[in-house]
Amino acid sequence: DGGITQSPKYLFRKEGQNVTLSCEQNLNHDAMYWYRQDPGQGLRLIYYSQIVNDFQKGDIAEGYSVSREKKESFPLTVTSAQKNPTAFYLCASAGRSSGNTIYFGEGSWLTVV
Amino acid sequence: AQSVTQLGSHVSVSEGALVLLRCNYSSSVPPYLFWYVQYPNQGLQLLLKYTSAATLVKGINGFEAEFKKSETSFHLTKPSAHMSDAAEYFCAVSEPGGGNKLTFGTGTQLKVEL
Repeated sequence: DGGITQSPKYLFRKEGQNVTLSCEQNLNHDAMYWYRQDPGQGLRLIYYSQIVNDFQKGDIAEGYSVSREKKESFPLTVTSAQKNPTAFYLCASAGRSSGNTIYFGEGSWLTVV
Repeated sequence: AQSVTQLGSHVSVSEGALVLLRCNYSSSVPPYLFWYVQYPNQGLQLLLKYTSAATLVKGINGFEAEFKKSETSFHLTKPSAHMSDAAEYFCAVSEPGGGNKLTFGTGTQLKVEL
């Protein structure tokens, strides 16, 4: 099936640890995105990438890092510098086949314990 | 800079009643506008989108929205609510040529009561 796969669905992190959230798409989309969702705040853009080996900061990039070594993969690392990492993280992608409309994965819950 | 305002963080309707979820936007250029729906612990699903074609846009599950430039609005409606419509709804805006970056409203939780 075509789609966007995020893993893991639930992740627990101890304070001071880095964690990486996986996002893979087989839609042949050029653009990929990471959003953070907090209750009552909607979704906020962390990073986005419009082409392999290139990415840009979004509105809340501090404490996060990404890479885009392959077209289908856009992992997000939540570093220990992120002061409040507990949130729901959503990966998305868009491309010509989607009319440049952004489609979302199922999300990953990160909880700091 | 673009922004989206969704009036009413919680809306409650009776089953069979009209659903109206409000969205107003600001954008420096004619925008693209979207409505997404989110069920608990899931990602966002596209309901409909406006990309400068017909101002009345029909989406999935019987929803539609009308782009009104003079009011900078893109309200979402459904004539008759169903229990399965209970979810959180997000309005979003992007600027053409802006890299498809979406700016979201804060969401409206729709409750459908018997």
